[in-house]
This record gives sequence, structure tokens and C-alpha cells, in this order.
Amino acid sequence: GESVGLHLPTLSVQEGDNSIINCAYSNSASDYFIWYKQESGKGPQFIIDIRSNMDKRQGQRVTVLLNKTVKHLSLQIAATQPGDSAVYFCAENRDLGNEKLTFGTGTRLTIIP
Amino acid sequence: KAGVTQTPRYLIKTRGQQVTLSCSPISGHRSVSWYQQTPGQGLQFLFEYFSETQRNKGNFPGRFSGRQFSNSRSEMNVSTLELGDSALYLCASSLAVGQINEKLFFGSGTQLSVL
Repeated sequence: GESVGLHLPTLSVQEGDNSIINCAYSNSASDYFIWYKQESGKGPQFIIDIRSNMDKRQGQRVTVLLNKTVKHLSLQIAATQPGDSAVYFCAENRDLGNEKLTFGTGTRLTIIP
Repeated sequence: KAGVTQTPRYLIKTRGQQVTLSCSPISGHRSVSWYQQTPGQGLQFLFEYFSETQRNKGNFPGRFSGRQFSNSRSEMNVSTLELGDSALYLCASSLAVGQINEKLFFGSGTQLSVL
């Protein structure tokens, strides 16, 4: 039968604008979260991480926000550039006893020149 | 410091064959994890090795196996290939196992096509 692919959420942003990518995680017991960026033909690349005892962490042009009440994670990218076009994954350490990180389905970000 | 290296980059096999993929972790990293990435299922955890021992295993059939050598290099093997095994196989390394701040560093993957 025909296989049904994951519906990858997409986000298009004008170059220079800010973007926000959202992620709902599954396990309230998860205590560590990472955002990865995957460009075409490459493996996921670490962007930024955050522990559950924090609600915000900033990096270079990126900010991660964690809302444990609603199990929500977001990645903000400031002043987007064409090189930011990629698929972005959030990951949580849902169950250290079984697997290291569990990945979300990803969001495809396209920067419009 | 060199990143995670995976070979080969591309593979084409036919159903029923077996395949071996190789991964060299970042120098000093002792944990190697393998993930399967497909458009249909996203990133799925296969297994993790640390000090030549499989520490964790995902929900994949026994046709999928792996091993780790004393130099931390790892191989994974898929026997009796099926069409559904077509995927990007990603290897990731990290310093240690079971720690909270466990960043995974990924290689570029091996794109396997089963015909």
C-alpha cells in the first residue's frame, strides 16, 4: 500500500526578519532539550540546548524558550539569513533508560531572499 | 578536531542482500548511537554502544545489528534487506552515556537505497 509520509510543518520567512519555530514535547519528566538544524544532504547539527531548570537560553542569533507548564519549546532565530534555510528538530531526553534523545518531526524553514 | 565520519556516503543494494555501514566518532567520544531517518518516520533510534557494549536498543527487528570496536569506531549491519530499509542512516557520538547534558554530534549519514 501507499505509505503516508510525515507532514512536515513549514515556515517561510523574509530574509532579515525573525523566525520562531515551535515544538511540543511529550514527556513532562524530560529534563534536557536540544535544537538541531539539518541542511539538505547533511546530518543534524547542534544549535542550542537548555535544561529544565531554565526557561530561556540565548546563543548567537538564537534563543530557546522552555515552557514546562504546557510542555512547549521554541527556537527564535533573529535576523534570518539564507543559510538558515533547513529543517529544524527539537529533541528531548525522554527516557534515559532507553534512548538518548527523542526527536520531533521537524519544521522546514525557508528564508525568502 | 575531526567530526563524525560515516562511510560510505551512498549505497545501493537489492532486496535480500546485507549491508555494513561504518562510523568513526569524534576523537575522545566513547558513545556511538545510530538513527534511521526516513520521510515517513522521522528520526528513529536504532541502538547505542559504549565501551564495545550495546547499552540501549530501539524498536527494530533483529536484522539490524551493530558493534563497537576498542577504538570506539562502530559498524551497523542490516541483513536480508527490505525495500522499507531505504533510509538515511545517521551515526552520532557523545562523550559518555547516561548523563543529563548529552549532546549528540551527528555525521552526514549513509544514504541507503534498496531496490
